[in-house]
Amino acid sequence: GEEVAQTPKHLVRGEGQKAKLYCAPIKGHSYVFWYQQVLKNEFKFLISFQNENVFDETGMPKERFSAKCLPNSPCSLEIQATKLEDSAVYFCASSQSRAGYTFGSGTRLTVV
Amino acid sequence: DQQVKQNSPSLSVQEGRISILNCDYTNSMFDYFLWYKKYPAEGPTFLISISSIKDKNEDGRFTVFLNKSAKHLSLHIVPSQPGDSAVYFCAASSNSGGSNYKLTFGKGTLLTVNP
Repeated sequence: GEEVAQTPKHLVRGEGQKAKLYCAPIKGHSYVFWYQQVLKNEFKFLISFQNENVFDETGMPKERFSAKCLPNSPCSLEIQATKLEDSAVYFCASSQSRAGYTFGSGTRLTVV
Repeated sequence: DQQVKQNSPSLSVQEGRISILNCDYTNSMFDYFLWYKKYPAEGPTFLISISSIKDKNEDGRFTVFLNKSAKHLSLHIVPSQPGDSAVYFCAASSNSGGSNYKLTFGKGTLLTVNP
């Protein structure tokens, strides 16, 4: 399809619990990106993939965050032992070119 | 350090008039710039982009101007319509160092178009 599908739309986790977010990129797009938006502020880059390979993970808090993009599966972003500060909207985007960047509608994670 | 800055958190204009949203950047390696529009509870949607080899790009009611020497770009919306009311994000990317289109965003400007 021509949309980036993110699930779930909302996720509530107790502090210390695990959270897993999913993203199905647009077919044919080689690049997948994850961004975090806290309190309606700027988007913080987390990680990017070229196909199933990690391309840039400079934005990832490595101790607790991990991500995968495996063939024939949605991409995933996993947060182990969530903290209150992880509460944010997580956006996935996919692209095939610099102009073809398409975002999903996001997953709102609330850590209580 | 904030590499992409949108210094106006909000802008209010009358329907039919021009909206001008501004964006400044500090990283001289940025060579591609995009504007996104975002409604609440939705993802950003692409509006218009410009490469650093150009100084203007136009698409219908939307025009983006780039002033490389000033490291400044602006988005013009003419005429503004109430449906344009949204948060507008400026974003930039660099093709150097294998950055693979990673975007750096500003903090957004809330545009309100009054009927």
